Amino acid sequence: EIVMTQSPATLSVSPGESATLSCRASQSVSSNLAWYQQKPGQAPRLLIYGASSRATGVPARFSGSGSGTEFTLTISSLQSEDFAVYFCQQYNKWPPVTFGGGTKVESK
Amino acid sequence: QVQLVESGGGVVQPGRSLRLSCAASGFSSSSYPMHWVRQAPGKGLEWVAVISYDGSNKYYADSVKGRFTISRDNSKNTLYLQMNSLRSEDTAVYSCARDPHGGAFDYWGQGTLVAVSS
Repeated sequence: EIVMTQSPATLSVSPGESATLSCRASQSVSSNLAWYQQKPGQAPRLLIYGASSRATGVPARFSGSGSGTEFTLTISSLQSEDFAVYFCQQYNKWPPVTFGGGTKVESK
Repeated sequence: QVQLVESGGGVVQPGRSLRLSCAASGFSSSSYPMHWVRQAPGKGLEWVAVISYDGSNKYYADSVKGRFTISRDNSKNTLYLQMNSLRSEDTAVYSCARDPHGGAFDYWGQGTLVAVSS
C-alpha cells in the first residue's frame, strides 16, 4: 500500500499570511492526489483533486501543485475560517486509497 | 442539496455485529461508487470499503476483509455496512462518502460513532 506522509504536523500561521503544506507519497501516484479540510466535529471537505483542480465552491486562495511523489497545498492570505486540519489522499493505486496523517494549521 | 446521513452506530461488545446505514439525498446515488471511511478518536482517516455504482464490485481494507460487508439499495438511495466480529480497534466514527473522481470524495456524511467495548 502507498504510504502518504504529511509535513509539518502542525503549522502556526498568522491571519493574512500564506501557508504551505507538504505531502509525500512512498511511490508515484501520478496526479491522483486530493486535499481535504476538516474542522472539529465536521466531515472532511474536498478542496483539491487531481493534484491541482479546485473542487466546486473552493476559494481561489487554495491551490495545489505537484505530481509523482511530492505535492503541496498552498493557502494564500489565510482567513480565520481556514484554521483546520488538512489531509492529503492518494487514489492512484487502490484499493486501498490512503490518507496522510494530517497537518493542523493553527493561529500563531 | 447533496446530503449523506449515517445511522446505526452505538456501543457494542467485542465479537458482536452492527449494521450501519447511509441515506443519500439530493442526488441519485446509483450514479456513483460509494465508500466507507473511518476515523478513530484523535486519529487520521482510514478507508474501509467501496462499492461500485451498481453493487457489482466491492473492495475492502485488509483490516476488515472477511468481517465487514458493504452493500447498497439504489431503490432506497441507501448504502450499508454490515460489521461482524467487531474488535476494539474498530472503534471509530464511520462516514460514507461519494466518489465522482475515481477515488476522491466530494461529499461526506457527518459520521456515526461505533464504540466496541466490553
